[in-house]
Amino acid sequence: GDSVTQMEGPVTLSEEAFLTINCTYTATGYPSLFWYVQYPGEGLQLLLKATKADDKGSNKGFEATYRKETTSFHLEKGSVQVSDSAVYFCAPQTRSNYQLIWGAGTKLIIKP
Amino acid sequence: NAGVTQTPKFRILKIGQSMTLQCAQDMNHNYMYWYRQDPGMGLKLIYYSVGAGITDKGEVPNGYNVSRSTTEDFPLRLELAAPSQTSVYFCASSQTGTDYEQYFGPGTRLTVT
Repeated sequence: GDSVTQMEGPVTLSEEAFLTINCTYTATGYPSLFWYVQYPGEGLQLLLKATKADDKGSNKGFEATYRKETTSFHLEKGSVQVSDSAVYFCAPQTRSNYQLIWGAGTKLIIKP
Repeated sequence: NAGVTQTPKFRILKIGQSMTLQCAQDMNHNYMYWYRQDPGMGLKLIYYSVGAGITDKGEVPNGYNVSRSTTEDFPLRLELAAPSQTSVYFCASSQTGTDYEQYFGPGTRLTVT
């Protein structure tokens, strides 16, 4: 069945470090791909998305590229800030019924 | 626009009690969803709706019921609450079709004791 795998957290980095959170998925066809972020005590909000192969989504300094050949959508940021501390979810969207496939998320902790 | 609103924010129930979690959206979205999020876990889909009068089960529907009489509202009913239903519940909505993001409410933290 459809699934998503993210690197396990927590990921702990110092401020201004480079961030990569890996995401690979298994889904029928070519799903749209989303990264959502959940700040402490809040609901989820869209961080970025990509809808076809080789598309790059970007927002708030974060980027992710839709890699069809490796079924991956890794999240990157060049220089993280304490305010980036949150849980990050990679979520493919199936084209058959538009459902999002959720993994456990990756908790990111940025130390000053 | 208020987006997606949920009430209440917090609730403590005793085992066997019932309650309704309210969800409303003002974006005229056809699709609405109910998820639960257990500590340290991702989201599990409880029920979803593709339009007024149409609902369908998600991954974990047992112990819950929904209705969708209007485009705006999508309440979730818990009957005979059990400790296993202790969780944070999120409502979300989206436009119809692929490529559209889901917009989430702030969540309801429910404890069943």
